[in-house]
Amino acid sequence: GENVEQHPSTLSVQEGDSAVIKCTYSDSASNYFPWYKQELGKRPQLIIDIRSNVGEKKDQRIAVTLNKTAKHFSLHITETQPEDSAVYFCAASLDSNYQLIWGAGTKLIIKP
Amino acid sequence: DVKVTQSSRYLVKRTGEKVFLECVQDMDHENMFWYRQDPGLGLRLIYFSYDVKMKEKGDIPEGYSVSREKKERFSLILESASTNQTSMYLCASNPSTNEKLFFGSGTQLSVL
Repeated sequence: GENVEQHPSTLSVQEGDSAVIKCTYSDSASNYFPWYKQELGKRPQLIIDIRSNVGEKKDQRIAVTLNKTAKHFSLHITETQPEDSAVYFCAASLDSNYQLIWGAGTKLIIKP
Repeated sequence: DVKVTQSSRYLVKRTGEKVFLECVQDMDHENMFWYRQDPGLGLRLIYFSYDVKMKEKGDIPEGYSVSREKKERFSLILESASTNQTSMYLCASNPSTNEKLFFGSGTQLSVL
């Protein structure tokens, strides 16, 4: 079955710098890749997602890139701000599946 | 805005008790999910349901059961609570496969 690995488990960056979180997946048939952000004590919320027919998607300071050949996708956050501090989860799925396969999460710390 | 409401934010139960966790969504979503979240383990799927009275096992169904008698309500049942079921439980819903998941605010269950 599908397996998703997420790195690093903790990432500390200086405010204003960029942050990159990487995920790899095992099932080449996976075609949907969302990213969720969970602030401390709050519920996870979708911040961006990408489908396998595109290689990159941007939304203001966040972007996701997908490399289908290498079976990995990455979340990029530019000009990081204190409110970006959170745990970020990647996931992968097939269209035919109800179930997302989740990465273990990355705790992003923004240092002032 | 979609609302996914979980009946309790904090719950304390004793070993051996039967525990009911309730989840209600107000957007007529087809799919509903119960996740368990533990530090360092990410989100693990317990059960999901894609229709009324339908249920499917997730990754960690042992010790749990579910009920979906009405489309808007999905209940998680711990038949005989054990200390290793102490965790944060998150309910989620979405309108169809590979669409945005809407999470409830979670129930922190402590089994003593």
